[in-house]
Amino acid sequence: EAQVTQNPRYLITVTGKKLTVTCSQNMNHEYMSWYRQDPGLGLRQIYYSMNVEVTDKGDVPEGYKVSRKEKRNFPLILESPSPNQTSLYFCASSLRVAGSYNEQFFGPGTRLTVL
Amino acid sequence: SQKIEQNSEALNIQEGKTATLTCNYTNYSPAYLQWYRQDPGRGPVFLLLIRENEKEKRKERLKVTFDTTLKQSLFHITASQPADSATYLCALGRGGNKLVFGAGTILRVKS
Repeated sequence: EAQVTQNPRYLITVTGKKLTVTCSQNMNHEYMSWYRQDPGLGLRQIYYSMNVEVTDKGDVPEGYKVSRKEKRNFPLILESPSPNQTSLYFCASSLRVAGSYNEQFFGPGTRLTVL
Repeated sequence: SQKIEQNSEALNIQEGKTATLTCNYTNYSPAYLQWYRQDPGRGPVFLLLIRENEKEKRKERLKVTFDTTLKQSLFHITASQPADSATYLCALGRGGNKLVFGAGTILRVKS
């Protein structure tokens, strides 16, 4: 089954304790992205990757890191989480086809609470 | 800065009626627009895409219009059913894969 998986689905942590949220897709997509979703603000892009070893900042990258060492995986790293990073996080992937506007496939989400 | 507005209040309609959701944008010139459905506790799921040179797109009971002069898209669900109850997100793109999302509109269909 074609899908995007995220782990963990739920996480409660404390300020300053480094954490990683994993994301994996099995559709051989070039493009992957991380979003956070907060009430009333919609989905905001954190980081994205156009292909292996190619990453770039989205609209709200502060406090986050990413890496893309393999095509299927795109982990999100919070080196020193703070309470304002409490949010619902989504990973997404899509094809990259020149001149085409491809749909994005989303993971199930990770609900993060930073105390 | 670019702004995307969707109805902030939930839309409540009766089963069988047509639901119409709006997406307005400013300070942006999208090449295309996408609509997604999001159920509670789940990730968004793609529904429809419409390009800037298209006025209307249909898929089964769904219809999307795109008016680049008014800077508005309308999303219609005809013969609505309780199973259509969800949050609907519009997303705009200019090129490549980057999307800018609206906050979404909650649709509730009552039987």
